[in-house]
Amino acid sequence: NAGVTQTPKFQVLKTGQSMTLQCAQDMNHEYMSWYRQDPGMGLRLIHYSVGAGITDQGEVPNGYNVSRSTTEDFPLRLLSAAPSQTSVYFCASSYSGLGTGNTIYFGEGSWLTVV
Amino acid sequence: AQTVTQSQPEMSVQEAETVTLSCTYDTSESNYYLFWYKQPPSRQMILVIRQEAYKQQNATENRFSVNFQKAAKSFSLKISDSQLGDTAMYFCALTQGGSEKLVFGKGMKLTVNP
Repeated sequence: NAGVTQTPKFQVLKTGQSMTLQCAQDMNHEYMSWYRQDPGMGLRLIHYSVGAGITDQGEVPNGYNVSRSTTEDFPLRLLSAAPSQTSVYFCASSYSGLGTGNTIYFGEGSWLTVV
Repeated sequence: AQTVTQSQPEMSVQEAETVTLSCTYDTSESNYYLFWYKQPPSRQMILVIRQEAYKQQNATENRFSVNFQKAAKSFSLKISDSQLGDTAMYFCALTQGGSEKLVFGKGMKLTVNP
């Protein structure tokens, strides 16, 4: 039972480089999302998806791109990394949308450092 | 808009004691859901307890219970018989009915001392 799998777990990037954080879930969940966690800020929503082909912005979407071509995968792309994007990133999924209070399941996090 | 406020950044408690973590929230909706998440040093996010706004009864899960005061928009978490494994960051979170966004508070660091 893999649940929500994030790769890589650790990454160091140089300013201006691009990269993709991968997220996959094997629970046939329709809803997937990306959060970033910074000290003293809690978790903030970057982007979310309520199904394949459907994505929307969260609270802090600038500098990030997402797409959802399959139910299982929801990659997060950093287009041109900046030191302000140094953070811990969490992918999360839920059986269906959160509007009915569904439980959301988190991956183990990806530590990203931009130098 | 939905907001969550955790005003205590840090607390410590002795093992076996009871501790209460506070959380206030704001929402314009009558239908919403509240959560407490635990994040131990491993950084994994673990759901502790869930409360539906339309339910009068406070949720409980073993040693964890909530005090849900709807009129005051308060949602505190009580941990009874604290254990060393309860040492973690605790996050209060809210989602409104019809919203696809889960909003978190800034978290509170709880340390349980032997």
